Amino acid sequence: AQSVAQPEDQVNVAEGNPLTVKCTYSVSGNPYLFWYVQYPNRGLQFLLKYITGDNLVKGSYGFEAEFNKSQTSFHLKKPSALVSDSALYFCAVSVPAGGSYIPTFGRGTSLIVHP
Amino acid sequence: GAGVSQSPSNKVTEKGKDVELRCDPISGHTALYWYRQSLGQGLEFLIYFQGNSAPDKSGLPSDRFSAERTGGSVSTLTIQRTQQEDSAVYLCASSSPDNRNGYTFGSGTRLTVV
Repeated sequence: AQSVAQPEDQVNVAEGNPLTVKCTYSVSGNPYLFWYVQYPNRGLQFLLKYITGDNLVKGSYGFEAEFNKSQTSFHLKKPSALVSDSALYFCAVSVPAGGSYIPTFGRGTSLIVHP
Repeated sequence: GAGVSQSPSNKVTEKGKDVELRCDPISGHTALYWYRQSLGQGLEFLIYFQGNSAPDKSGLPSDRFSAERTGGSVSTLTIQRTQQEDSAVYLCASSSPDNRNGYTFGSGTRLTVV
């Protein structure tokens, strides 16, 4: 069975500082990995994905994430946080090849960026 | 339309009543997913449709929950005899068959059972 862990319920960072939101996963096979952001009373918005190729992927709003196969991690990063980045972030994994297209989501991490 | 559309956006119902939630996916997306998000919780998978294949119902929490997808497009999630623990935001997403471009989510239906 596939699973995703987001070990931090909340991450606090000052505006202008770098931010990291952690995600680790457990799968059998090659994963597809995703990050989504959810603003209050909204659905989830796609940020970025790793399918294959370069381990460092860049996405929307200046976010990036690095796929680390040995550590089974896919941490979300941004060099300089904005107050408007404050939201709920979800990591997700699916394993289409021989597995399931159904993505499993982490519990979410609340990012709070202080002015 | 350009995105995934869900209706209604909010639904308040009395305990014991049946409710229907609708999802209109992106045109051409053959895969459709229903999730439930409870307050302070992550996303709980409910059901998955892929083209004309039999749906994966493994996430449905009880036999009060059912879903159908007509013509490979619009989907309806039905909850019978609603209970207070059914209160949550119900999210629908769609994707291309290989989901290489990720999933597009609707804004959800907030269900409150009183």
